[in-house]
Amino acid sequence: GQQVMQIPQYQHVQEGEDFTTYCNSSTTLSNIQWYKQRPGGHPVFLIQLVKSGEVKKQKRLTFQFGEAKKNSSLHITATQTTDVGTYFCAPTNQAGTALIFGKGTTLSVSS
Amino acid sequence: GAVVSQHPSWVICKSGTSVKIECRSLDFQATTMFWYRQFPKQSLMLMATSNEGSKATYEQGVEKDKFLINHASLTLSTLTVTSAHPEDSSFYICSARGGGNGNTIYFGEGSWLTVV
Repeated sequence: GQQVMQIPQYQHVQEGEDFTTYCNSSTTLSNIQWYKQRPGGHPVFLIQLVKSGEVKKQKRLTFQFGEAKKNSSLHITATQTTDVGTYFCAPTNQAGTALIFGKGTTLSVSS
Repeated sequence: GAVVSQHPSWVICKSGTSVKIECRSLDFQATTMFWYRQFPKQSLMLMATSNEGSKATYEQGVEKDKFLINHASLTLSTLTVTSAHPEDSSFYICSARGGGNGNTIYFGEGSWLTVV
């Protein structure tokens, strides 16, 4: 079935450092969403990317969708302890009916 | 913003019994709801897609007779884990498509199931 590879699986940074997680697919994606899940919580929607080469920013978060629509990235500038959690990319499946989640990147931040 | 509520948040049941989890869209109509399962420190695995008034579409490897899904109204979907076993213990999360533009997907808070 459709899969996306997300790297790295874990990332630990010092507060203030930058962080990036990457999502790669072997097939062209119609769109991709990003979610954040705090420990013990449920996924919270962050953004949806649809257009080739699209770049969207939310404060310290920058989301990119590759030109070929096969990869995406989330970059956090100057991490804070509140950024701790697991970040999932989730493209829509080939049928266009549901989200398929990557394995996620778990971010830990030490102050 | 759109809210999706799950109940119960936590449930412990004995092996062999059945457990029902409810997923409600509180302030919008959800024609499609999704059920996911998440083991500790792992990703969300799609179990089934539920459309109001029709049978759910199950993902490969998910037993439809064990995980009964009902979507009787535009605001409620239920997942019943039948004849539960300890290996069914997991975090079950529902999501619903709807809200303002009709395409955004909102997640419930999840339900922790422990089978003893």
